[in-house]
Amino acid sequence: DAKTTQPNSMESNEEEPVHLPCNHSTISGTDYIHWYRQLPSQGPEYVIHGLTSNVNNRMASLAIAEDRKSSTLILHRATLRDAAVYYCILTNYGGSQGNLIFGKGTKLSVKP
Amino acid sequence: DGGITQSPKYLFRKEGQNVTLSCEQNLNHDAMYWYRQDPGQGLRLIYYSQIVNDFQKGDIAEGYSVSREKKESFPLTVTSAQKNPTAFYLCASRTNQGVNTEAFFGQGTRLTVV
Repeated sequence: DAKTTQPNSMESNEEEPVHLPCNHSTISGTDYIHWYRQLPSQGPEYVIHGLTSNVNNRMASLAIAEDRKSSTLILHRATLRDAAVYYCILTNYGGSQGNLIFGKGTKLSVKP
Repeated sequence: DGGITQSPKYLFRKEGQNVTLSCEQNLNHDAMYWYRQDPGQGLRLIYYSQIVNDFQKGDIAEGYSVSREKKESFPLTVTSAQKNPTAFYLCASRTNQGVNTEAFFGQGTRLTVV
């Protein structure tokens, strides 16, 4: 199974941009990169996903390296509500490879 | 409103008892999943179902059982064979139309063995 590597924790100041890195050196050509986040005592929520091109939505931006072996989730202005564990996940089409396999993620702390 | 609902939010069980966690979705999703989360850890896949009347074991299926008799429902039974059942359990659903789709999670059930 393709796997991802993320830092255990990161800190940010409120209203500053945050760049959350993810390494996925064994990614295959058909793997999608998904990001989810989990607030304390809640279920994860979807943030963004992409395949090759950079993606933007109302929550965040996803920057994907040209060789696709790494990606970065960008929160443009961190708020206290963004404090959560962020998971970077790879999924592929078909059978169990379509499942979301979670690692430990990056715990983001936001300081006022 | 469409969504995925888990109940109860908190559950206490005596050792040796089976207990069933409920998961219902009205999103018309084909695929449903059960995960277990221990403190400070990521989510681990217990069982998944991609279609009604079919389900597959995930990474930690021992001591658990599921059924998928209806598209909307995917209950998880924690049996007495599960040696360490105290954990946070999360249910998710997703359309089966490719992998570029998001999964929706319930709010979880926190199970404690007393």
